[in-house]
Amino acid sequence: GAVVSQHPSWVICKSGTSVKIECRSLDFQATTMFWYRQFPKQSLMLMATSNEGSKATYEQGVEKDKFLINHASLTLSTLTVTSAHPEDSSFYICSARGSRGTYEQYFGPGTRLTVT
Amino acid sequence: RKEVEQDPGPFNVPEGATVAFNCTYSNSASQSFFWYRQDCRKEPKLLMSVYSSGNEDGRFTAQLNRASQYISLLIRDSKLSDSATYLCVVRGGYQKVTFGIGTKLQVIP
Repeated sequence: GAVVSQHPSWVICKSGTSVKIECRSLDFQATTMFWYRQFPKQSLMLMATSNEGSKATYEQGVEKDKFLINHASLTLSTLTVTSAHPEDSSFYICSARGSRGTYEQYFGPGTRLTVT
Repeated sequence: RKEVEQDPGPFNVPEGATVAFNCTYSNSASQSFFWYRQDCRKEPKLLMSVYSSGNEDGRFTAQLNRASQYISLLIRDSKLSDSATYLCVVRGGYQKVTFGIGTKLQVIP
């Protein structure tokens, strides 16, 4: 199957700092990428959908000024958590979908963010 | 009512057993359905798509009942390696994908 990478796989940062997470589709062009957040023992919650070259669409309740998403190319999307707080500690997963074929989503391995 | 509902379990079954999970969805206009598997602290991986006619992949059988708005996953001859959380995923309009909370399966030796 298609490969999606995420970097970093885990990060610990101090309150008030910003953290950038990268999501790359390695062997296909991803016109659409999704960012999810998963708290322990909860389901994945979609945060935003981004299409290459346009602004991301955020789900209700997700602050777009806090979670900055950039999808500058067909293989790269970034999520920046600005002014992180401990309650932002979570597992962040991106997924990518290609421009043709089925609507399968391929997930990155996730980034575990801990804000102290 | 949640958009996608699953029994979180856990389902503890002995090796070799047959186990079935159901998932209900609220939006009758939902278009595509999937089962994903998620291991602890890992990303979800697609297990199989679910078609109206039902589909089978080895020990796994998925079915869709549009009239009752539920999908099911049947696992035959359970293996220890099947232990994981199984996520029901529904795609609706505007490409919106909704995940269920997942059903945890623990296969016991």
